Amino acid sequence: DSGVTQTPKHLITATGQRVTLRCSPRSGDLSVYWYQQSLDQGLQFLIHYYNGEERAKGNILERFSAQQFPDLHSELNLSSLELGDSALYFCASSPLWGTPAGYTFGSGTRLTVV
Amino acid sequence: AQKVTQAQTEISVVEKEDVTLDCVYETRDTTYYLFWYKQPPSGELVFLIRRNSFDEQNEISGRYSWNFQKSTSSFNFTITASQVVDSAVYFCALSENTGNQFYFGTGTSLTVIP
Repeated sequence: DSGVTQTPKHLITATGQRVTLRCSPRSGDLSVYWYQQSLDQGLQFLIHYYNGEERAKGNILERFSAQQFPDLHSELNLSSLELGDSALYFCASSPLWGTPAGYTFGSGTRLTVV
Repeated sequence: AQKVTQAQTEISVVEKEDVTLDCVYETRDTTYYLFWYKQPPSGELVFLIRRNSFDEQNEISGRYSWNFQKSTSSFNFTITASQVVDSAVYFCALSENTGNQFYFGTGTSLTVIP
């Protein structure tokens, strides 16, 4: 157990729908990162939050949004889902911002859009 | 811009053979970090090693060893006496000094045949 908890583990939904993926970081970690792993794009960075504030954005679609709450858990919201959004979504956490030390990945949420 | 190249898409070896997975990276940063992760069929990302750009010492951990050469921008990973349990996809990744995001290679799928 890495200490980073992602729920749900699996999600199947229809095109056009909206889903929310949840991530609870390791205890004490202030940074949360989201990654998408799809067959055609590989593992890509989506967004980084540090202590509730957005710090960096990667290849995140406008249909996707994220936030980090005061208790430090984070949610990734995916809307108007398309077949191509089917992927494994990883969350990672680290203690600080500005160092990759202690960077820990969760076990992922597998999203299938049908 | 940061980039990680894993030219080997798939490798198959017979059990007990040694195998080397190649990783070549590009970055303009003088301080950066390199990583290897293992992704077994279950899907989670398992951390194997982190190396910073100032530490070019090779490392050995059991049957695993890593060869970091800044002169060729390579960070290769060797598994000695491979086992069936080593079958997985292996990712090389690069992080800039800020640690805000990882840049992953496309992965090498290793199959160890009994």
